[in-house]
Amino acid sequence: KAGVTQTPRYLIKTRGQQVTLSCSPISGHRSVSWYQQTPGQGLQFLFEYFSETQRNKGNFPGRFSGRQFSNSRSEMNVSTLELGDSALYLCASSLVPGGPQETQYFGPGTRLLVL
Amino acid sequence: DQQVKQNSPSLSVQEGRISILNCDYTNSMFDYFLWYKKYPAEGPTFLISISSIKDKNEDGRFTVFLNKSAKHLSLHIVPSQPGDSAVYFCAASPPGTASKLTFGTGTRLQVTL
Repeated sequence: KAGVTQTPRYLIKTRGQQVTLSCSPISGHRSVSWYQQTPGQGLQFLFEYFSETQRNKGNFPGRFSGRQFSNSRSEMNVSTLELGDSALYLCASSLVPGGPQETQYFGPGTRLLVL
Repeated sequence: DQQVKQNSPSLSVQEGRISILNCDYTNSMFDYFLWYKKYPAEGPTFLISISSIKDKNEDGRFTVFLNKSAKHLSLHIVPSQPGDSAVYFCAASPPGTASKLTFGTGTRLQVTL
């Protein structure tokens, strides 16, 4: 079974631009979560989607948004990019959300560099 | 406010010996705990988890211990192998939101020959 895939793997943008990252979950997985990893803040939860609905949200500004499609694929968007948005963005999928058995499996991440 | 802490940024262990990685948490609502392993340029790989109703879970060379009263968990790797060299993250979630993980800052494990 294929793992979580994320595209693109690397991205360079300039301040003020916007960016869209894509995530395809493991086949059959319906919950997708997004995380940001930076050297200073570590791994931080952005949001989670299930059945095309945002189920949980972390403490990030409204510039960070996401959506999920009917096939469970998800995209996240960051508008008005800032230098501090440079990070590794990780997507994780699980069968369904909630409960101790729903382990998340991570993709390889998209590394975003904002200049 | 760092709710999940890994106070040792790095650990070096000889091959064949035991590696013990520690993690402390402050949020008493957390009831599900996991360990992930991460290589550079890759996403975290799930290793082992434990529910708060247990105090130990074992999977091959990996054992996780949970001490709820001390809000402390640890990962034991026995015996340690060079391929175990990576960054290890502990993570925790509150009830009903296992998809919303709070991660520690990671411990870099180096297993030497």
